[in-house]
Amino acid sequence: GAVVSQHPSRVICKSGTSVKIECRSLDFQATTMFWYRQFPKQSLMLMATSNEGSKATYEQGVEKDKFLINHASLTLSTLTVTSAHPEDSSFYICSAGSAAQETQYFGPGTRLLVL
Amino acid sequence: DAKTTQPTSMDCAEGRAANLPCNHSTISGNEYVYWYRQIHSQGPQYIIHGLKNNETNEMASLIITEDRKSSTLILPHATLRDTAVYYCIVRLPSNTGKLIFGQGTTLQVKP
Repeated sequence: GAVVSQHPSRVICKSGTSVKIECRSLDFQATTMFWYRQFPKQSLMLMATSNEGSKATYEQGVEKDKFLINHASLTLSTLTVTSAHPEDSSFYICSAGSAAQETQYFGPGTRLLVL
Repeated sequence: DAKTTQPTSMDCAEGRAANLPCNHSTISGNEYVYWYRQIHSQGPQYIIHGLKNNETNEMASLIITEDRKSSTLILPHATLRDTAVYYCIVRLPSNTGKLIFGQGTTLQVKP
């Protein structure tokens, strides 16, 4: 299957700082990328849908000013957690899809710990 | 997208077949059944999908009932590395459409 990478794989930051997570589709052009968040022992929760060259669509209850998403190219989307707080500590996962693929493919996830 | 119901957890002996059921009684005619799994602390992995015919690939088989209201994912010879949470998702076949995850089935493969 297609390969999606995320960077960094884990990050620790201080409360109040901002953290950027990158999601890259390595061997295909992703017209759409998705960002999920997963808390311990819970399922994945969709945060937002990102289409290349346009503004992201956020799910209800997700603050767009706190979770900034940029999808500037067909192979890269970034999620910036602004002014992170301990409650933002979570496992962030991206997925990428295009009409040419048989399904969406997921990145390995980024574990964020805010102290 | 139609809602799915899966058992919370299942056990399977190593080397035996693991049969994971999924109910999707409100599935519409053009919705597919997709299966993903998530091994601990990793991103989800695509397994298989189908519309109404049974499907098989190198990872698993998917059996969909004739009325399409339920399906079963079969791992023919489970190994310890198959221990994971398995998600059954019903959706339209658009890879630019969002996936909504339920709670899934935690499969524990035991030696």
